[in-house]
Amino acid sequence: DVQMTQSPSNLAASPGESVSINCKASKSISKHLAWYQQKPGKANKLLIYSGSTLQSGTPSRFSGSGSGTDFTLTIRNLEPEDFGLYYCQQHNEYPLTFGSGTKLEIK
Amino acid sequence: EVKLEESGGGLVQPGMSVKLSCATSGFTFSDYWMEWVRQAPGKGLEWVAEIRNKANNYATYYGKSVKGRFTISRDDSKSIVYLQVNSIRSEDTGIYYCTRRTGYFDYWGQGVMVTVSS
Repeated sequence: DVQMTQSPSNLAASPGESVSINCKASKSISKHLAWYQQKPGKANKLLIYSGSTLQSGTPSRFSGSGSGTDFTLTIRNLEPEDFGLYYCQQHNEYPLTFGSGTKLEIK
Repeated sequence: EVKLEESGGGLVQPGMSVKLSCATSGFTFSDYWMEWVRQAPGKGLEWVAEIRNKANNYATYYGKSVKGRFTISRDDSKSIVYLQVNSIRSEDTGIYYCTRRTGYFDYWGQGVMVTVSS
């Protein structure tokens, strides 16, 4: 199985700051990586797919980079609504696997 | 507007069965692969099962922890995907999400809670 190691587990930042979340795959997954946002009471939201392609409706302050085994989600100019949980997921091979999640708190 | 709505959860005794449903609308259901993903309380997301479309012979795939106990199925005439859960265990407790797959999971339902307890 492809293990997805996501870091950090927790993150706190102020509005206007930038943050990065990392995701490392245990083997190459090419660019088959997606990022999701999870917020209480809302459906999980796809933010980025294929490593760096923004899903329609994702604000441009979100960006993704990486390929192979190392990937990064960057959020620039944080907005208060960006708090929540973020997960990476590989869709290169079965079983499809997720990272353990990053909780982003807004200071 | 794409919508996915899960139902069928609740309190289930260990060893018993439950069938979850996911009613969809707003897209051509028969064209898509559909998935179930679950989340144990306070834990991360775990992919559970996939069913492909008719063009892909309705092939099914399962996570290792559920293979042999869970069965995913679909009814294209009703735009519904199901998850039959047999021999349920305490570790199956959690929220079960229905998702649409286009490589990645582009739409999710809000989830249905399944609690396994005697």
